[in-house]
Amino acid sequence: EAGVTQFPSHSVIEKGQTVTLRCDPISGHDNLYWYRRVMGKEIKFLLHFVKESKQDESGMPNNRFLAERTGGTYSTLKVQPAELEDSGVYFCASSQDSRIGEQYFGPGTRLTVT
Amino acid sequence: LAKTTQPISMDSYEGQEVNITCSHNNIATNDYITWYQQFPSQGPRFIIQGYKTKVTNEVASLFIPADRKSSTLSLPRVSLSDTAVYYCLVGPPINDYKLSFGAGTTVTVRA
Repeated sequence: EAGVTQFPSHSVIEKGQTVTLRCDPISGHDNLYWYRRVMGKEIKFLLHFVKESKQDESGMPNNRFLAERTGGTYSTLKVQPAELEDSGVYFCASSQDSRIGEQYFGPGTRLTVT
Repeated sequence: LAKTTQPISMDSYEGQEVNITCSHNNIATNDYITWYQQFPSQGPRFIIQGYKTKVTNEVASLFIPADRKSSTLSLPRVSLSDTAVYYCLVGPPINDYKLSFGAGTTVTVRA
């Protein structure tokens, strides 16, 4: 069974540009999560989808971030315009249900904003 | 989620047993204890979860005393490939999807 995949693995953009990160969850997983680790800090929750609906986006830092999950399959996270402080690693995870301990993480996308 | 405290780092040698203790003094009655492992350049990976006493799987054992204010992750006979960051998380098992990762414990296994 394929795991959670993320694309690209690494992205380098200039401040003010737009970047779109993609996450493909494990097939059949209704729950999809985004997390990020910035500036060497701790991994922080961004938002949670149940199928195509946003269940909780309380962790989204500001309105420069937009997450979508059309059709309840893959998800995209767009940062527009990117700022220097957005640099970090963005992780996607998926699960069959919302129980803690059953989230499967992707390898992450390393975003560098210069 | 309950606050957790664990050592920043631990060193070990191949073949030894590594025990990482996590303190969670304000754990709630319905909270479970979950451990994740993260290798460099990878996402966190679930290792083990427990509520009380002892839980064992093919990767590790989790020891939880009766008062549940701490827990110990035990990695038997570690190898170089066990070098990773280990996170202790505490929270309710259902309908709590916001995993809260602390700084974790960096375990370095040497030959």
